[in-house]
Amino acid sequence: DGGITQSPKYLFRKEGQNVTLSCEQNLNHDAMYWYRQDPGQGLRLIYYSQIVNDFQKGDIAEGYSVSREKKESFPLTVTSAQKNPTAFYLCASKTGTANTGELFFGEGSRLTVL
Amino acid sequence: AQSVTQPDIHITVSEGASLELRCNYSYGATPYLFWYVQSPGQGLQLLLKYFSGDTLVQGIKGFEAEFKRSQSSFNLRKPSVHWSDAAEYFCAAWMDSSYKLIFGSGTRLLVRP
Repeated sequence: DGGITQSPKYLFRKEGQNVTLSCEQNLNHDAMYWYRQDPGQGLRLIYYSQIVNDFQKGDIAEGYSVSREKKESFPLTVTSAQKNPTAFYLCASKTGTANTGELFFGEGSRLTVL
Repeated sequence: AQSVTQPDIHITVSEGASLELRCNYSYGATPYLFWYVQSPGQGLQLLLKYFSGDTLVQGIKGFEAEFKRSQSSFNLRKPSVHWSDAAEYFCAAWMDSSYKLIFGSGTRLLVRP
Protein backbone atom coordinates (compact mmCIF):
# COMPACT_ATOMS: atom_id res chain seq x y z
CA ASP A 1 0.00 0.00 0.00
CA GLY A 2 1.16 3.54 -0.74
CA GLY A 3 1.87 5.77 2.17
CA ILE A 4 4.32 7.58 4.41
CA THR A 5 6.44 5.69 6.91
CA GLN A 6 8.02 7.44 9.86
CA SER A 7 10.52 5.80 12.17
CA PRO A 8 11.11 5.35 14.97
CA LYS A 9 7.68 5.85 16.53
CA TYR A 10 9.23 6.59 19.93
CA LEU A 11 12.71 7.94 20.57
CA PHE A 12 14.50 8.94 23.73
CA ARG A 13 17.52 11.19 23.67
CA LYS A 14 19.93 12.56 26.18
CA GLU A 15 20.60 16.27 26.18
CA GLY A 16 23.41 17.21 23.81
CA GLN A 17 22.79 14.37 21.36
CA ASN A 18 21.69 14.72 17.76
CA VAL A 19 18.94 12.40 16.55
CA THR A 20 17.60 11.71 13.09
CA LEU A 21 13.95 10.94 12.32
CA SER A 22 13.24 9.01 9.17
CA CYS A 23 10.46 9.75 6.68
CA GLU A 24 9.93 7.63 3.57
CA GLN A 25 7.08 7.89 1.06
CA ASN A 26 6.11 5.69 -1.88
CA LEU A 27 3.37 7.97 -3.19
CA ASN A 28 5.64 9.51 -5.84
CA HIS A 29 4.97 12.94 -4.34
CA ASP A 30 7.27 15.82 -5.13
CA ALA A 31 6.81 17.88 -1.97
CA MET A 32 7.58 16.76 1.57
CA TYR A 33 7.17 18.50 4.91
CA TRP A 34 8.13 18.26 8.56
CA TYR A 35 5.83 19.59 11.26
CA ARG A 36 6.25 19.80 15.00
CA GLN A 37 3.21 19.36 17.23
CA ASP A 38 3.01 20.51 20.85
CA PRO A 39 -0.13 20.35 23.00
CA GLY A 40 -2.42 23.30 22.33
CA GLN A 41 -0.25 24.74 19.56
CA GLY A 42 -1.41 22.93 16.49
CA LEU A 43 1.16 22.10 13.83
CA ARG A 44 4.19 24.28 13.16
CA LEU A 45 6.23 23.94 9.98
CA ILE A 46 9.91 23.10 10.43
CA TYR A 47 11.15 22.50 6.87
CA TYR A 48 9.70 21.67 3.50
CA SER A 49 11.07 20.43 0.20
CA GLN A 50 9.48 20.88 -3.19
CA ILE A 51 11.96 18.83 -5.20
CA VAL A 52 15.03 16.69 -4.72
CA ASN A 53 18.15 18.54 -3.51
CA ASP A 54 16.12 21.60 -2.53
CA PHE A 55 14.48 22.56 0.76
CA GLN A 56 13.32 25.68 2.58
CA LYS A 57 13.04 26.70 6.20
CA GLY A 58 9.64 26.88 7.77
CA ASP A 59 8.59 28.86 10.81
CA ILE A 60 10.69 27.05 13.43
CA ALA A 61 13.78 25.72 11.61
CA GLU A 62 16.33 26.70 14.25
CA GLY A 63 18.00 23.65 15.75
CA TYR A 64 16.87 21.34 12.95
CA SER A 65 18.40 20.19 9.66
CA VAL A 66 17.11 18.17 6.70
CA SER A 67 18.30 16.64 3.46
CA ARG A 68 16.49 15.59 0.29
CA GLU A 69 18.83 13.37 -1.68
CA LYS A 70 16.05 11.11 -2.96
CA LYS A 71 12.46 11.83 -3.89
CA GLU A 72 11.22 9.19 -1.47
CA SER A 73 13.16 10.30 1.60
CA PHE A 74 13.22 13.44 3.77
CA PRO A 75 15.04 12.79 7.07
CA LEU A 76 14.97 15.33 9.88
CA THR A 77 17.87 15.78 12.28
CA VAL A 78 17.14 17.32 15.65
CA THR A 79 20.42 18.84 16.74
CA SER A 80 21.71 19.66 20.19
CA ALA A 81 21.06 23.32 19.35
CA GLN A 82 17.30 22.74 19.57
CA LYS A 83 16.48 24.04 23.04
CA ASN A 84 13.23 22.19 23.62
CA PRO A 85 13.10 19.17 21.31
CA THR A 86 10.57 17.06 23.21
CA ALA A 87 7.57 16.95 20.87
CA PHE A 88 5.59 14.92 18.38
CA TYR A 89 6.99 15.18 14.84
CA LEU A 90 4.89 14.65 11.74
CA CYS A 91 6.09 14.13 8.19
CA ALA A 92 3.80 14.80 5.23
CA SER A 93 3.86 14.83 1.46
CA LYS A 94 1.78 16.15 -1.40
CA THR A 95 1.58 16.31 -5.14
CA GLY A 96 0.22 19.05 -7.33
CA THR A 97 1.15 22.69 -7.62
CA ALA A 98 2.03 24.98 -4.77
CA ASN A 99 -1.26 25.78 -3.10
CA THR A 100 -3.48 22.91 -4.12
CA GLY A 101 -3.95 19.35 -3.02
CA GLU A 102 -4.04 17.81 0.41
CA LEU A 103 -1.17 16.71 2.60
CA PHE A 104 -0.79 13.03 3.39
CA PHE A 105 0.66 12.40 6.84
CA GLY A 106 2.74 9.71 8.45
CA GLU A 107 1.94 8.26 11.86
CA GLY A 108 4.41 10.52 13.64
CA SER A 109 7.49 10.14 15.82
CA ARG A 110 7.50 11.10 19.48
CA LEU A 111 10.84 12.41 20.72
CA THR A 112 11.53 12.69 24.43
CA VAL A 113 14.65 14.31 25.79
CA LEU A 114 15.73 12.90 29.13
CA ALA B 1 -1.90 38.40 8.49
CA GLN B 2 -3.12 35.15 7.00
CA SER B 3 -4.42 32.83 9.67
CA VAL B 4 -6.80 30.02 10.54
CA THR B 5 -8.69 30.23 13.81
CA GLN B 6 -10.48 27.49 15.69
CA PRO B 7 -12.10 29.31 18.59
CA ASP B 8 -13.02 26.22 20.61
CA ILE B 9 -10.15 24.39 22.30
CA HIS B 10 -12.42 21.69 23.73
CA ILE B 11 -15.95 20.62 22.91
CA THR B 12 -17.94 17.93 24.74
CA VAL B 13 -21.06 16.39 23.24
CA SER B 14 -23.21 13.43 24.13
CA GLU B 15 -23.20 10.40 21.88
CA GLY B 16 -25.95 10.75 19.31
CA ALA B 17 -26.03 14.55 19.54
CA SER B 18 -25.17 16.83 16.65
CA LEU B 19 -21.79 18.49 16.32
CA GLU B 20 -20.47 21.70 14.85
CA LEU B 21 -16.80 22.68 14.99
CA ARG B 22 -15.96 26.23 14.01
CA CYS B 23 -13.20 27.41 11.69
CA ASN B 24 -12.53 30.94 10.49
CA TYR B 25 -9.82 32.17 8.18
CA SER B 26 -8.25 35.53 7.48
CA TYR B 27 -7.43 36.00 3.79
CA GLY B 28 -8.41 38.38 1.02
CA ALA B 29 -9.53 35.69 -1.40
CA THR B 30 -11.05 32.22 -1.20
CA PRO B 31 -8.52 29.74 0.14
CA TYR B 32 -8.40 26.01 -0.37
CA LEU B 33 -9.80 24.58 2.88
CA PHE B 34 -9.41 21.27 4.67
CA TRP B 35 -10.51 19.47 7.79
CA TYR B 36 -8.26 16.80 9.30
CA VAL B 37 -8.81 14.45 12.25
CA GLN B 38 -6.14 13.10 14.58
CA SER B 39 -6.53 10.26 17.07
CA PRO B 40 -4.13 10.30 20.03
CA GLY B 41 -0.58 9.45 19.05
CA GLN B 42 -1.46 9.16 15.38
CA GLY B 43 -1.01 11.13 12.20
CA LEU B 44 -3.64 13.32 10.59
CA GLN B 45 -6.35 11.94 8.32
CA LEU B 46 -8.18 14.06 5.78
CA LEU B 47 -11.93 14.33 6.42
CA LEU B 48 -12.88 16.64 3.56
CA LYS B 49 -11.72 19.53 1.41
CA TYR B 50 -13.11 22.54 -0.42
CA PHE B 51 -11.58 24.05 -3.51
CA SER B 52 -14.50 25.58 -5.38
CA GLY B 53 -18.07 24.90 -6.48
CA ASP B 54 -20.77 23.62 -4.13
CA THR B 55 -20.22 25.23 -0.76
CA LEU B 56 -21.53 22.19 1.14
CA VAL B 57 -18.89 19.49 1.07
CA GLN B 58 -19.34 15.88 2.09
CA GLY B 59 -16.51 13.93 3.65
CA ILE B 60 -15.72 10.62 5.20
CA LYS B 61 -17.23 9.19 8.40
CA GLY B 62 -20.47 11.13 7.92
CA PHE B 63 -18.91 14.59 8.24
CA GLU B 64 -19.78 17.61 6.15
CA ALA B 65 -18.60 21.21 6.06
CA GLU B 66 -20.06 24.40 4.71
CA PHE B 67 -18.02 27.22 3.22
CA LYS B 68 -19.47 30.67 3.88
CA ARG B 69 -17.58 33.42 2.09
CA SER B 70 -19.46 36.21 3.87
CA GLN B 71 -18.38 34.87 7.24
CA SER B 72 -14.91 33.61 6.22
CA SER B 73 -15.89 30.32 7.78
CA PHE B 74 -15.66 26.63 7.04
CA ASN B 75 -17.48 24.87 9.90
CA LEU B 76 -17.49 21.11 10.27
CA ARG B 77 -20.73 19.31 11.13
CA LYS B 78 -22.01 15.86 11.91
CA PRO B 79 -25.68 15.11 12.63
CA SER B 80 -25.07 12.30 15.14
CA VAL B 81 -21.78 11.82 16.95
CA HIS B 82 -20.39 8.37 17.75
CA TRP B 83 -18.00 7.61 20.60
CA SER B 84 -15.32 6.81 18.01
CA ASP B 85 -15.40 10.43 16.82
CA ALA B 86 -13.55 11.52 19.96
CA ALA B 87 -10.32 12.99 18.59
CA GLU B 88 -8.67 16.28 17.74
CA TYR B 89 -9.84 18.14 14.67
CA PHE B 90 -7.78 20.58 12.64
CA CYS B 91 -8.89 23.09 10.07
CA ALA B 92 -6.27 24.10 7.49
CA ALA B 93 -5.96 26.34 4.45
CA TRP B 94 -3.72 27.18 1.52
CA MET B 95 -3.89 30.93 1.24
CA ASP B 96 -1.39 31.95 -1.39
CA SER B 97 1.05 30.50 -3.87
CA SER B 98 3.45 29.30 -1.19
CA TYR B 99 3.98 25.71 -0.12
CA LYS B 100 2.84 26.41 3.44
CA LEU B 101 -0.44 24.88 4.59
CA ILE B 102 -1.68 26.93 7.54
CA PHE B 103 -3.30 25.01 10.40
CA GLY B 104 -5.61 26.12 13.14
CA SER B 105 -4.68 25.21 16.70
CA GLY B 106 -7.16 22.35 16.82
CA THR B 107 -10.37 21.46 18.68
CA ARG B 108 -10.43 18.44 20.95
CA LEU B 109 -13.75 16.62 20.85
CA LEU B 110 -14.88 14.60 23.87
CA VAL B 111 -17.93 12.34 23.58
CA ARG B 112 -20.07 11.55 26.61
CA PRO B 113 -21.66 8.07 26.69
